[in-house]
Amino acid sequence: QKEVEQDPGPLSVPEGAIVSLNCTYSNSAFQYFMWYRQYSRKGPELLMYTYSSGNKEDGRFTAQVDKSSKYISLFIRDSQPSDSATYLCAMRGSGGSNYKLTFGKGTLLTVNP
Amino acid sequence: EPEVTQTPSHQVTQMGQEVILRCVPISNHLYFYWYRQILGQKVEFLVSFYNNEISEKSEIFDDQFSVERPDGSNFTLKIRSTKLEDSAMYFCASTVGRGTTEAFFGQGTRLTVV
Repeated sequence: QKEVEQDPGPLSVPEGAIVSLNCTYSNSAFQYFMWYRQYSRKGPELLMYTYSSGNKEDGRFTAQVDKSSKYISLFIRDSQPSDSATYLCAMRGSGGSNYKLTFGKGTLLTVNP
Repeated sequence: EPEVTQTPSHQVTQMGQEVILRCVPISNHLYFYWYRQILGQKVEFLVSFYNNEISEKSEIFDDQFSVERPDGSNFTLKIRSTKLEDSAMYFCASTVGRGTTEAFFGQGTRLTVV
């Protein structure tokens, strides 16, 4: 089983739609969970991070972590064409030398005007 | 806004040649990382670096790879004898400290080995 699994899409939605992006993971040592946005041939840009289980909201973005199910989600409300990008989930453990990020493969999102 | 900068943006090299990829991390950050992304694949961790030494490395980071902080601002990744399969985007990242989760990534260097 892969450490982090993410549906690569592609996902195409109309402007204004609510978008749901998800990742599952197998490593129970993961404690920190992040969502990055990546435009074509650019570096990942951090959108949100959460520690352990729970929800975190930032503007139109909400990140959810369910550690019992090993499942994380990113919701985008009122999606805009400028949200079109690849969304990467990433996660890591804590303590020791556990600072490397393990990424999902990314979901390509297109928001159509 | 502070950012991680990488040079060059694109490097083409012949197989067997040495390449050095350069990064300037955010100035008050203490932990530095290299990741790579082969076209169509995941972003993969290569190495982390703190206090002038490697703190963690992946199995990808073999003897062909080395990292260095030659001065107070630059952080470099050297590939000694490039192979075709080294062709990828290489991303530098930095964080303020150990417990910080906000890793900031550079724009990447696209390495093409021919």
